[in-house]
Amino acid sequence: AQSVTQPDIHITVSEGASLELRCNYSYGATPYLFWYVQSPGQGLQLLLKYFSGDTLVQGIKGFEAEFKRSQSSFNLRKPSVHWSDAAEYFCAVGANFGNEKLTFGTGTRLTIIP
Amino acid sequence: DGGITQSPKYLFRKEGQNVTLSCEQNLNHDAMYWYRQDPGQGLRLIYYSQIVNDFQKGDIAEGYSVSREKKESFPLTVTSAQKNPTAFYLCASSRGPGTSSTDTQYFGPGTRLTVL
Repeated sequence: AQSVTQPDIHITVSEGASLELRCNYSYGATPYLFWYVQSPGQGLQLLLKYFSGDTLVQGIKGFEAEFKRSQSSFNLRKPSVHWSDAAEYFCAVGANFGNEKLTFGTGTRLTIIP
Repeated sequence: DGGITQSPKYLFRKEGQNVTLSCEQNLNHDAMYWYRQDPGQGLRLIYYSQIVNDFQKGDIAEGYSVSREKKESFPLTVTSAQKNPTAFYLCASSRGPGTSSTDTQYFGPGTRLTVL
């Protein structure tokens, strides 16, 4: 069975600073990987996804993520955060064949300080 | 605009009552999903449906029921058998099987259910 670990429950960064959110997955083959963002009381919005090919994936709002098979990781990065990036971020993993189910991590809450 | 709608946004129910949450999509997606979200626990899959008139239990289906009579609609009923129903419920959809494996899921805005 697949699983996802987001080791950081809460991260605080200053506006303009760089950001890295960690995601580690467990899956027996090449996974499909996703990052979603959720503002308070809202649904989830897709930031980016990795299916195959280039391991550095660009997403919306200036985010990127890098798939590292050797480390079973898919960390999310942004070079300079804005106050509007404050939200909860979820990493998710899916099987790469015949299975539409996603497994989500427990999320990382991001706080931005001026 | 294409998207997923959930109604109502807030729902209150008394203990012992069944309640139905609505989820509608106009994305022409075959697959639909229901998740439950609790603080600190991420999203947990309740039920999913890959095609009309068919659905499967997810990881936490006890106390819930669903139907999929139309492609665009996937209502969730929270029954009185659900021991702790207060939570945020999210509906999602994806293109479904036959297009590609594990396609991107798109989410609705959610319904917050509170049991009084």
